[in-house]
Amino acid sequence: SYELTQPPSVSVSPGQTARITCSGNTLPKQYANWYQQKPDQAPLLVIYKDTERPSGIPERFSGSSSGTTATLTISGVQAEDESDYYCQSSDSTDTFRVFGGGTKLTVL
Amino acid sequence: QVHLQESGPGLVEPSQTLSLTCTVSGGSISSGGYYWNWVRQRPGKGLEWIGYIFETGSTYYNPSLKSRIIMSLDTSKNQFFLRLSSVSAADTAIYFCARDREDTAYNHWGQGTLVTVSS
Repeated sequence: SYELTQPPSVSVSPGQTARITCSGNTLPKQYANWYQQKPDQAPLLVIYKDTERPSGIPERFSGSSSGTTATLTISGVQAEDESDYYCQSSDSTDTFRVFGGGTKLTVL
Repeated sequence: QVHLQESGPGLVEPSQTLSLTCTVSGGSISSGGYYWNWVRQRPGKGLEWIGYIFETGSTYYNPSLKSRIIMSLDTSKNQFFLRLSSVSAADTAIYFCARDREDTAYNHWGQGTLVTVSS
């Protein structure tokens, strides 16, 4: 089965830059998407197609991808960014969907 | 604006079948080239893709759950459905319905519905 690997946790101080990575063998060929999930809420799309930001998402959220690793970057982290973040992609045949295990971002 | 809403029993007995409905408003489930998905989240755990049904009715399921899943849709009611058979406590989770397409990702989600498997 196909897997995406994320660090379980990332901690940063307010105003610093947070980087959350997602590793997977098909990421060179498939887009990575990123979701923010706060307690008792549905996930919210924050980055799609590796680098695109949906309307309404703050500019401090950005995405990149190189080789087998995609990265979500949050510049100038704010307290409200403390959430769980999930990457998501597809397998090489673009049939399976898969989510990473999630990363808990803590704002110190 | 597209809106998705899950509905169904909040409690299912072990070995029985879990049945959920996702009602879509603000857009047709039979056009646009979208995939209509079910995703679940066990208590304190991450997101797990269950499967999707395309607007044509074709389906694709998570291999780990494939033997127990049936998805279907009713275009006249703009609804799609999940049936998960032979449930156990391990199927206790919040079940989300969501819409995706390669160029949009999962940009629309339902609020989620908690299903508890217990006698």
